[in-house]
Amino acid sequence: AQKITQTQPGMFVQEKEAVTLDCTYDTSDQSYGLFWYKQPSSGEMIFLIYQGSYDEQNATEGRYSLNFQKARKSANLVISASQLGDSAMYFCAMREGATGTASKLTFGTGTRLQVTL
Amino acid sequence: DGGITQSPKYLFRKEGQNVTLSCEQNLNHDAMYWYRQDPGQGLRLIYYSQIVNDFQKGDIAEGYSVSREKKESFPLTVTSAQKNPTAFYLCASTTWFKTALMGNQPQHFGDGTRLSIL
Repeated sequence: AQKITQTQPGMFVQEKEAVTLDCTYDTSDQSYGLFWYKQPSSGEMIFLIYQGSYDEQNATEGRYSLNFQKARKSANLVISASQLGDSAMYFCAMREGATGTASKLTFGTGTRLQVTL
Repeated sequence: DGGITQSPKYLFRKEGQNVTLSCEQNLNHDAMYWYRQDPGQGLRLIYYSQIVNDFQKGDIAEGYSVSREKKESFPLTVTSAQKNPTAFYLCASTTWFKTALMGNQPQHFGDGTRLSIL
């Protein structure tokens, strides 16, 4: 069974600094995908970034980048130049499911990020 | 604008009562999902549907039921058998993972329904 572990229940970062949110995963599948979502206090889930298991380059999307270390089974999210609006819960998730099916996601327990002045 | 609409935003259930949460999408997605989120926790999968008239149980299906009569709609019923229904419920949809190149398609989420017991 797939498992996602986020070991940091809460993190603080000063505005304009970079922060790394940790995510480790466990799977026996060779092909998988990793997603990061942001959940503000209002509750909606906002997709941030994706990394495929066969992608050779680390994914980047604006201020978000993914530090993917396949051998260590880790997919840490890096947020550069933090902004007050980055304060939210962040979830790491892994896709399972073979090609030709609807993908299911397994979520971690999340990390609450608080950006301070 | 394309998206997922969940209603109502807040819902209260009396003991012994069934309640239905609505989820509608106009993204033309084949697959739809229901998740439950408890305070300070991640999302747990209740049910999912890959196509119309077909659905599968997720990790915590007991006490819940679903239907998928239309591609756009995937309502969730919280039955009286669900003894602890107080939670935040999220509906999501996505395209099928038809090729490896489509593996990056994320699930899109609605704004959620908060269900409480009266």
